[in-house]
Amino acid sequence: DAGVIQSPRHEVTEMGQEVTLRCKPISGHDYLFWYRQTMMRGLELLIYFNNNVPIDDSGMPEDRFSAKMPNASFSTLKIQPSEPRDSAVYFCASSFFETQYFGPGTRLLVL
Amino acid sequence: GQQLNQSPQSMFIQEGEDVSMNCTSSSIFNTWLWYKQDPGEGPVLLIALYKAGELTSNGRLTAQFGITRKDSFLNISASIPSDVGIYFCAGPNYGGSQGNLIFGKGTKLSVKP
Repeated sequence: DAGVIQSPRHEVTEMGQEVTLRCKPISGHDYLFWYRQTMMRGLELLIYFNNNVPIDDSGMPEDRFSAKMPNASFSTLKIQPSEPRDSAVYFCASSFFETQYFGPGTRLLVL
Repeated sequence: GQQLNQSPQSMFIQEGEDVSMNCTSSSIFNTWLWYKQDPGEGPVLLIALYKAGELTSNGRLTAQFGITRKDSFLNISASIPSDVGIYFCAGPNYGGSQGNLIFGKGTKLSVKP
């Protein structure tokens, strides 16, 4: 199994631009999670889906952030417009039961 | 709400030394998970514990599920430079939406060759 796949691995953009992060979960997993990691705040859960349906989006910082899961094998996290404080590493994870499997992350830098 | 407290926050040790870290909570957990995050990578599951008192090993790693179900310990024997990284404990978020995990803030391990 290829594991959780995320793209891009690195993204550098300018403030105000739209950023789209992509995730392909492990086949057969019915949960998908988006996390953000920074030095100051550690690992934060942003949103998660079960069977493609958003279950809890209380961690999404503000309306500039949105996430979709159009099918069982693909999810996106979009930031529009991006701001410098959004700079972080964004992880996608998937699970079938309790154990979550993480992707390699997308390192985002907003200038 | 549920919280997981990890200690120590960071450790600086010499290669070959044994390492011990723990994770505590004011709430009971039925599952404890230990993850390791290598620099520049995502967290990877090391050990999963499902029963109070359980002691599980994975190579040089040993983890225990505390008998009170409110704590867990991770030990690394004879540390090597590739043990460097951040170690997270995690457990199911019973107080929140089903399917979610709560993560501790991590123990950052540095190993001096």
